[in-house]
Amino acid sequence: IAGITQAPTSQILAAGRRMTLRCTQDMRHNAMYWYRQDLGLGLRLIHYSNTAGTTGKGEVPDGYSVSRANTDDFPLTLASAVPSQTSVYFCASRERDSDEQFFGPGTRLTVL
Amino acid sequence: GQNIDQPTEMTATEGAIVQINCTYQTSGFNGLFWYQQHAGEAPTFLSYNVLDGLEEKGRFSSFLSRSKGYSYLLLKELQMKDSASYLCAGMDSNYQLIWGAGTKLIIKP
Repeated sequence: IAGITQAPTSQILAAGRRMTLRCTQDMRHNAMYWYRQDLGLGLRLIHYSNTAGTTGKGEVPDGYSVSRANTDDFPLTLASAVPSQTSVYFCASRERDSDEQFFGPGTRLTVL
Repeated sequence: GQNIDQPTEMTATEGAIVQINCTYQTSGFNGLFWYQQHAGEAPTFLSYNVLDGLEEKGRFSSFLSRSKGYSYLLLKELQMKDSASYLCAGMDSNYQLIWGAGTKLIIKP
């Protein structure tokens, strides 16, 4: 792996179903983020983690949960999907020295 | 509150120069970022300004005025591949990025 990977690339999900979006990085960055991107809106922060074992809520956390068991993995779970969660989801990590955020390729999620 | 404003869309001609403006308001300030995002792809880093002034990197330059809460991205010698969205983001006191909605840049031959 080089950078950040996300899975799946895309998914169509029935409303009410549970779904976990996976994110893995190999850069040993401490800070990681989950964003959603909707047409006409900027990237909005869902949850973040400043280091393994800690997580925090962002701007739009409702309906989502995260865990950070180790440095590399930062999964995002939708407990019971709703159509308003249809979006493109990006995972990112931040390099400590430059503060630059590196993004995964994204997951396109459609909830019907 | 925290807010980032940038134009929704701009059009420019191949070979020309374009300036994309951004105004910001963040809780605390730890720098201003510009990212490029091609359609269907992830954002990629372009520039970072934390001090006032101009940072030049090849055809792209970025300017910051902290007193005015203002930044711009300058793209010179435009190429068709520069057609993309350009995202302005301010880093707040918690080192989190507050994002603008992005400026879609259309390049015409």
